[in-house]
Amino acid sequence: DAGVIQSPRHEVTEMGQEVTLRCKPISGHNSLFWYRQTMMRGLELLIYFNNNVPIDDSGMPEDRFSAKMPNASFSTLKIQPSEPRDSAVYFCASSSTGPMNTEAFFGQGTRLTVV
Amino acid sequence: RKEVEQDPGPFNVPEGATVAFNCTYSNSASQSFFWYRQDCRKEPKLLMSVYSSGNEDGRFTAQLNRASQYISLLIRDSKLSDSATYLCVVIPRGGKLIFGQGTELSVKP
Repeated sequence: DAGVIQSPRHEVTEMGQEVTLRCKPISGHNSLFWYRQTMMRGLELLIYFNNNVPIDDSGMPEDRFSAKMPNASFSTLKIQPSEPRDSAVYFCASSSTGPMNTEAFFGQGTRLTVV
Repeated sequence: RKEVEQDPGPFNVPEGATVAFNCTYSNSASQSFFWYRQDCRKEPKLLMSVYSSGNEDGRFTAQLNRASQYISLLIRDSKLSDSATYLCVVIPRGGKLIFGQGTELSVKP
């Protein structure tokens, strides 16, 4: 398995533009997580899907952020409009959750810079 | 209070030293626990799971204290290559992975 695949790896955009981050989880995993990491705030959970359904989106900063998981093999995180304070590394992770929770595997992340 | 809290860092230790990290969690119904390692500008990767009876993997020992709601990681005979940020992870009922802020370890020659 290729692991969790995120794209793009790097994104530089101007303030006000729409940004879409993509994630392909590991096949067979039923949970998907979007995290944001900054030096100041560490690793923050933005949203968590289980079986393609959003379970907890309490970490989504505001209405400018939205996430979808149309099927078990694909998820997007969209920021519209983007702002400089959105600059961070965005990680997607997947795991298999159930009676026994297994480890989460992370993608390599998308480094977003909003100028 | 944060759901998961870790020792503040950074920890600067000489090679060969023993170093310990603690992590406390607030949800007593938490079910699963892990330690992750993150190298600079890379993604977090699993270091080890934490079992109720405690577990060891080479120079690394992880322990869980459910009564006091904390987990710990002990690294013996530190190597330069152990320099990284160590993140504790707690999974309450429901499957959401909650990370601590991370503790930076720097092992010096």
